[in-house]
Amino acid sequence: AQRVTQPEKLLSVFKGAPVELKCNYSYSGSPELFWYVQYSRQRLQLLLRHISRESIKGFTADLNKGETSFHLKKPFAQEEDSAMYYCALSGGSSNTGKLIFGQGTTLQVKP
Amino acid sequence: GAGVSQTPSNKVTEKGKYVELRCDPISGHTALYWYRQSLGQGPEFLIYFQGTGAADDSGLPNDRFFAVRPEGSVSTLKIQRTERGDSAVYLCASSPRFEVGGYTFGSGTRLTVV
Repeated sequence: AQRVTQPEKLLSVFKGAPVELKCNYSYSGSPELFWYVQYSRQRLQLLLRHISRESIKGFTADLNKGETSFHLKKPFAQEEDSAMYYCALSGGSSNTGKLIFGQGTTLQVKP
Repeated sequence: GAGVSQTPSNKVTEKGKYVELRCDPISGHTALYWYRQSLGQGPEFLIYFQGTGAADDSGLPNDRFFAVRPEGSVSTLKIQRTERGDSAVYLCASSPRFEVGGYTFGSGTRLTVV
């Protein structure tokens, strides 16, 4: 079954500390993975996708097929990074573009 | 429009009633998705429209749920005989064309069934 697991409900770090939000997935084909972010009182928005291999707001994520992981990392956390983060996997045998989301991790960056 | 618009933003209804939730996608976006997010969970896929047709409705939980998009723009999610377990935030998203994952979400409708 296709599944996305985010093992941490809450991750709390101090400003300037490194951040790693964990994401593991279960998928039988070639996955496409994404990170979405939801800031307080804002709508869910795309942060980055693995296929772009880009860095957004200092965040990066590398797809590790051997470990079936797509962890989100940032070397120095900022207070404005505090938000809810969701890892998501594209799923569906007919390639409809639907996403399977993890349960989300709240990142709290303390001053 | 400037973004994906969902109305109402909040809806409280009594168990057993019928509700309609509306989504107005970004103008020109042909792909439209509905998701449901229960408390403490990530969004769960419900249905995907490409144009006017439902290309994938595999996420609809049962036949009380139905969605339409008659003119390929605005979509309505309809829930009959609501149950308390239907309480959730219903999210709509759209994209210019079929595009895996990179779509724009609305702010959602919070449905509470009492």
